[in-house]
Amino acid sequence: NAGVMQNPRHLVRRRGQEARLRCSPMKGHSHVYWYRQLPEEGLKFMVYLQKENIIDESGMPKERFSAEFPKEGPSILRIQQVVRGDSAAYFCASSPPTQYEQYFGPGTRLTVT
Amino acid sequence: AQTVTQSQPEMSVQEAETVTLSCTYDTSENNYYLFWYKQPPSRQMILVIRQEAYKQQNATENRFSVNFQKAAKSFSLKISDSQLGDTAMYFCAFMNPRRPNYGGSQGNLIFGKGTKLSVKP
Repeated sequence: NAGVMQNPRHLVRRRGQEARLRCSPMKGHSHVYWYRQLPEEGLKFMVYLQKENIIDESGMPKERFSAEFPKEGPSILRIQQVVRGDSAAYFCASSPPTQYEQYFGPGTRLTVT
Repeated sequence: AQTVTQSQPEMSVQEAETVTLSCTYDTSENNYYLFWYKQPPSRQMILVIRQEAYKQQNATENRFSVNFQKAAKSFSLKISDSQLGDTAMYFCAFMNPRRPNYGGSQGNLIFGKGTKLSVKP
């Protein structure tokens, strides 16, 4: 059973461009969480999704950030018009519907130049 | 709001010795889960150990064990027989159990700022 997959592992964008981060949960996992880790900090919750539904987006910035988890395909975290402050590691985690443990992907390191 | 505090930014231990990492949290909930995650230089987040608040028995996983004090809201991690591969950032995390139809946070993890552990040969 493959673990949580994230791609790309590293992403460089210029200010003003769009960043798309992908997350494929573990097989059988229907719950996806996105977290952001700034340098020297712990992870901060952004959004929690189930298939085709956003359950909790209380940690997501109101502007420029969006997330989806379609019926088919990976979950996508989209950042429009990136700024230098968006530079961080973005982690995705997944869990099965009946358990509470979250399993993390390797993260995507976004660098905005 | 729930908060998680790790008061030790950095710690070091000699190989084969025992070290304890501290974590305290604040919540008004009675039922919740607590975790320790390890983040080595590869930056992969690895689940080390978990504890259900309703269980009085402290969780253990091989060389890793916790001291869970519910009344004191304390959840420390003990690493016995430390190995060089234990060198990593360690994060304590809190989670409310998932409650469908509840408008607040459902199942997301709240992390402390981490403790950087160095195991010295």
